[in-house]
Amino acid sequence: AQSVSQHNHHVILSEAASLELGCNYSYGGTVNLFWYVQYPGQHLQLLLKYFSGDPLVKGIKGFEAEFIKSKFSFNLRKPSVQWSDTAEYFCAAFYNQGGKLIFGQGTELSVKP
Amino acid sequence: DGGITQSPKYLFRKEGQNVTLSCEQNLNHDAMYWYRQDPGQGLRLIYYSQIVNDFQKGDIAEGYSVSREKKESFPLTVTSAQKNPTAFYLCASSPSVEVWNTEAFFGQGTRLTVV
Repeated sequence: AQSVSQHNHHVILSEAASLELGCNYSYGGTVNLFWYVQYPGQHLQLLLKYFSGDPLVKGIKGFEAEFIKSKFSFNLRKPSVQWSDTAEYFCAAFYNQGGKLIFGQGTELSVKP
Repeated sequence: DGGITQSPKYLFRKEGQNVTLSCEQNLNHDAMYWYRQDPGQGLRLIYYSQIVNDFQKGDIAEGYSVSREKKESFPLTVTSAQKNPTAFYLCASSPSVEVWNTEAFFGQGTRLTVV
């Protein structure tokens, strides 16, 4: 079955720490990959996306993600987090076969000032 | 302004009643989706539609129904058969189901409480 899995449910970091959030997707043919962020009380916003080409993609607010096809992974990274990065982060995969957009369980990030 | 509108923001219903959640988009997007968001479970796909007059079941379609009579509208009905309907419901749309153009845009959501 097509699925997306995020490894961490809740991550707590201090400001300036580095961040890496794990995301794995199941095999299902061609996929597009996304990371979305949901700040408290706000709707989901796109952080970055991968369709093809350079496997290292850069998004907004200093976030980046690396697509590793052999590992079916699309981990999100940020070198130095800020208190304002406190939010819930969702990894998503669009499976061209079937046209489904599947989300992971989400990772809640809390950044301590 | 273009966007996705979900209404109402909060909805209360008595157990056993059907309720319909509205989702309208003026982005001219082909594909539309309904998700349910529960704490710790992320967004789970209920139904999706790639084109007018066509829709498919997602991972948790039982107890829900949808229609797609117009491109801009994709209402979701939560029926009395849904065992645990209290949740936050999100509607999304994307330009198309072509591989190059599948970024999803989200509405503000509807919080449904069944008492």
